[in-house]
Amino acid sequence: DAEITQSPRHKITETGRQVTLACHQTWNHNNMFWYRQDLGHGLRLIHYSYGVQDTNKGEVSDGYSVSRSNTEDLPLTLESAASSQTSVYFCASSESSWSADTQYFGPGTRLTVL
Amino acid sequence: TQLLEQSPQFLSIQEGENLTVYCNSSSVFSSLQWYRQEPGEGPVLLVTVVTGGEVKKLKRLTFQFGDARKDSSLHITAAQPGDTGLYLCAGALLGYSTLTFGKGTMLLVSP
Repeated sequence: DAEITQSPRHKITETGRQVTLACHQTWNHNNMFWYRQDLGHGLRLIHYSYGVQDTNKGEVSDGYSVSRSNTEDLPLTLESAASSQTSVYFCASSESSWSADTQYFGPGTRLTVL
Repeated sequence: TQLLEQSPQFLSIQEGENLTVYCNSSSVFSSLQWYRQEPGEGPVLLVTVVTGGEVKKLKRLTFQFGDARKDSSLHITAAQPGDTGLYLCAGALLGYSTLTFGKGTMLLVSP
């Protein structure tokens, strides 16, 4: 069965370190998204991609970057981790760029920045 | 300012009760979705509504999209403990391809 996976599931890091969260999907979807989920804020879009070599900034992109070198993967990099980036991160994918298309979410990565 | 306001934020009820969750905005959406999220997992899509006034039913769950496409509601009949979870509404503004999520409604159904 097709799926979307995230790794690691839990990560503790220190302020100032570079961190990369992995997202891998076997749906062969063109569209991939990164969100963060925080109490009191819900899910907020960080970056998204509509295909290989395409990346776009979302609502809360400062301090984050992504790159899309193949269809299956969209890694999220925190260039210099800050305590404000402690959160649960979700990756999602969808088949089309139609806004009403189903987004399939991964299980999430809980990141703690000390 | 939150684009999509969900209410209530938290709801604790007994098995068998009915409930309604609301998702409101001052903006017009081209589509609106409802997701359910269980602890330690990602959200899972329940339904998508795209037409103003549209009503969709999924077993004991009834979803409605407002006539003006600015609001939506989720009604659960005879809630069961398995309905427990975080319910999220998400909408796409006219002319935009990405989703904006509400903060969610945490539902706890006790036996």
